[in-house]
Amino acid sequence: GAVVSQHPSRVICKSGTSVKIECRSLDFQATTMFWYRQFPKKSLMLMATSNEGSKATYEQGVEKDKFLINHASLTLSTLTVTSAHPEDSSFYICSARASLRGVNEQFFGPGTRLTVL
Amino acid sequence: EDQVTQSPEALRLQEGESSSLNCSYTVSGLRGLFWYRQDPGKGPEFLFTLYSAGEEKEKERLKATLTKKESFLHITAPKPEDSATYLCAVRQAGTALIFGKGTTLSVSS
Repeated sequence: GAVVSQHPSRVICKSGTSVKIECRSLDFQATTMFWYRQFPKKSLMLMATSNEGSKATYEQGVEKDKFLINHASLTLSTLTVTSAHPEDSSFYICSARASLRGVNEQFFGPGTRLTVL
Repeated sequence: EDQVTQSPEALRLQEGESSSLNCSYTVSGLRGLFWYRQDPGKGPEFLFTLYSAGEEKEKERLKATLTKKESFLHITAPKPEDSATYLCAVRQAGTALIFGKGTTLSVSS
């Protein structure tokens, strides 16, 4: 299957600082990438959908000024959590959609654990 | 109302004890039903995609089936390494995946 990487895997920061998370599709081009957030023992909640070269589409209730998404190329998307607060602590997972064998599949990165002190 | 409902929430099995996980959905215009495996602290790992009722797919001890209202993930003779959370997700036309809350499977030896 296709490989999606995320960096960093873990980050601890102080309240008020900004954190950038990178998501890369390693062996395929992804025209669409997704960012999810997952709380302990809960399922994945979609935060936003981004298409290469255009603005991200945010889900209801997700602050676009707080969670900045940039999809600079067909293999890279970044999520920046601005002025992070303890309530932003969570597991953030990116996903990339690939068209393989004529079928759309969606692959996930390993996730980034953010802890805001 | 949840569009994707998984049951049971948690399942404990003995090694070798076969069982099934259920995923029921209410979305219209289904463009695919996906099964993922997620280990603690890691991202979901793709298992299967099913597109039409009657379709079945297998991978090692796992077999996924699909009807017009639900999907089953059958686990045959599970091993402790099959312990994980299994996530079901559906896609409607032009949308991102909608996930269920998952079933946490524990297999003891």
